[in-house]
Amino acid sequence: DVKVTQSSRYLVKRTGEKVFLECVQDMDHENMFWYRQDPGLGLRLIYFSYDVKMKEKGDIPEGYSVSREKKERFSLILESASTNQTSMYLCASSTRTSGRAPGELFFGEGSRLTVL
Amino acid sequence: QKEVEQNSGPLSVPEGAIASLNCTYSDRGSQSFFWYRQYSGKSPELIMFIYSNGDKEDGRFTAQLNKASQYVSLLIRDSQPSDSATYLCAVNPPTDSWGKLQFGAGTQVVVTP
Repeated sequence: DVKVTQSSRYLVKRTGEKVFLECVQDMDHENMFWYRQDPGLGLRLIYFSYDVKMKEKGDIPEGYSVSREKKERFSLILESASTNQTSMYLCASSTRTSGRAPGELFFGEGSRLTVL
Repeated sequence: QKEVEQNSGPLSVPEGAIASLNCTYSDRGSQSFFWYRQYSGKSPELIMFIYSNGDKEDGRFTAQLNKASQYVSLLIRDSQPSDSATYLCAVNPPTDSWGKLQFGAGTQVVVTP
């Protein structure tokens, strides 16, 4: 089974702090994603990576950056956390190989971030 | 206008009945459509995908797609309490080939014994 592991399930940070959210997948997937999920808004794509060191902005990249130095690891960075970044953050991975639907995302358990 | 719209619910369904969930999307060129299930406190998991107009059945689940009407639906037959969850509709925009999905906000389904 594909396993996507997010390093922290719950975090509480203060406004202005730098926050790192780590995600590791064990299935050699090419694509990795960071979404945030808020009530009534659904999942919104923050950043996407289709290869090591490659990244693309999603729909809401402002205030976030990402790093993908190794294929299995995709990090989300909040340079200066703000209260409006309080949310559930979901990491996902997918593969472009045949046999899998292109939108078949495998999600981690999520990281619930509270910024005070 | 949101790109993918769903009724938020909750949709209350008696055990054994059919749950019918609807989703509309705005980008007419979209080609791939997905239904994810998300239990409370858990992450989403894919349960169905559909590319062609018509119906696609998998066990108790049927996905229906009508591209002319920009409408995709999910039917859950013989609903069970374990089907109580939020169902997310997701669409792959035509400009994307990487699987960057646009998600709806989800419909909460509550199956009552």
